[in-house]
This record gives sequence, structure tokens and C-alpha cells, in this order.
Amino acid sequence: DVVMTQSPLSLPVTLGQPASISCRSSQSLVYRDGNTYLNWFQQRPGQSPRRLIYKVSTRDSGVPDRFSGSGSGTDFTLKISRVEAEDVGIYYCMQGTHWPGTFGQGTKVEIK
Amino acid sequence: EVQLVESGGGLVKPGGSLRLSCAASGFTFNTYSMNWVRQAPGKGLEWVSSINNRGSSIYYAESVKGRFTISRDNAKNSLYLQMTSLRVEDTAVYYCSRDDKMAPALGIDYWGQGTLVTVSS
Repeated sequence: DVVMTQSPLSLPVTLGQPASISCRSSQSLVYRDGNTYLNWFQQRPGQSPRRLIYKVSTRDSGVPDRFSGSGSGTDFTLKISRVEAEDVGIYYCMQGTHWPGTFGQGTKVEIK
Repeated sequence: EVQLVESGGGLVKPGGSLRLSCAASGFTFNTYSMNWVRQAPGKGLEWVSSINNRGSSIYYAESVKGRFTISRDNAKNSLYLQMTSLRVEDTAVYYCSRDDKMAPALGIDYWGQGTLVTVSS
């Protein structure tokens, strides 16, 4: 199985400041169709996950533009340009290129 | 609005069985593959099983193969997970999720609220 490794696992941030989460895969996530199936999910406390970004950098409808995704191959990043209180939660990357789909361990974002 | 509502969770003894259900609405259910994903208390997310739109292609994680059975009833817009020979390590919140029709292996665009399964003596 493809191993997804996130860092850091805990990320204290100051309101209004940027935040960045790294996700690395144990093998390239580029599929034969040329697409890279790497998603980011947000799980707020007590809630189910919500998809923020798919195919590395495409934001889902309704996702604030302070969230952005980037990367290629095996290295990916989720950035929050200015953290707001509602961004507190755990963020997961997930690859959907290789069977079975696998998730990162999660990164807990909290306010300092 | 897409809605996925799970039910059927509860407390069961090791070796016991449980059947989870997921009622779907707000989209054309019979055109989407569906998945079950679980999350052990305080832990991360783990894919459990997937079924295509017609129910003709089914996949399981190695950890549940031979013990869990995924199925669907398109006439009732419902997804199911029959769990047998349950183990303590199956304790988790089980989420029903919709496939996003994009990824070759796993793509999820919507999640239900989850149902808690606790396996304990």
C-alpha cells in the first residue's frame, strides 16, 4: 500500500498567520491519465470530514480561497494563507491513484 | 443537497455481528460508487470497502476481508455493511461516503455523519 506521511502532526498557529502542511507519498501519485489524485480533507472537532481540495490543487465549491494545494509526484502541500478560528481541526491528505486509497496520519491545527 | 445518513451502530461483544445502513438522498444514487471508511477513537481514517454503482464490483481492506460484506439497494437508495466476527480493533466510527467519479482507486466527495461501533465484552 502507498504510505502517506504528513508533517507536522501538530501545528499551533496564530490567528491571521499562514500555515502549511506537508504530505509525502511512498510512490508517485501520477496516474497513467496524467492526473494526480491527491485530496485534502478537513475534520473539525466533532464533525465528519469535509473535502477541501482534489487533484492536488482544485478547491471544492464553497471552500474559502485562503486554502490552496500544490505539489507534484510525491510531495504535496496544503497552505492556509491566514488562519481563522474556524480552521481549527485535523487535516488529512488522501491518495486515490493506487489501490487501495490511503490517508495520511492527520495534522492537528490549533490556535496558539 | 447531498445527504448520507448512517444508522445501525452500537455495542456488540467480540465475535458478534452488526449491520450498518446508509440512507442516501439529494443525488442519483444508482450512478455513484459508494464507500465505507472508519475512524478508530482518536485515530486517523481507514478505507474499509467500496462498491460500484451496480453492485457488481466490490473491494475490501485486508483487515476486514472475509468478515465484512458491503451491499446496496438502489431501489431504496441505501448502502449497507454487514459486519461479522467482530473484533475489539473494529471499534470505530463508520462513515458512509460517496465516490467522486474521478479517482481510479478512491475518491470521496461527501461523507455522512458516521455511526459508532463499539466492540467490547
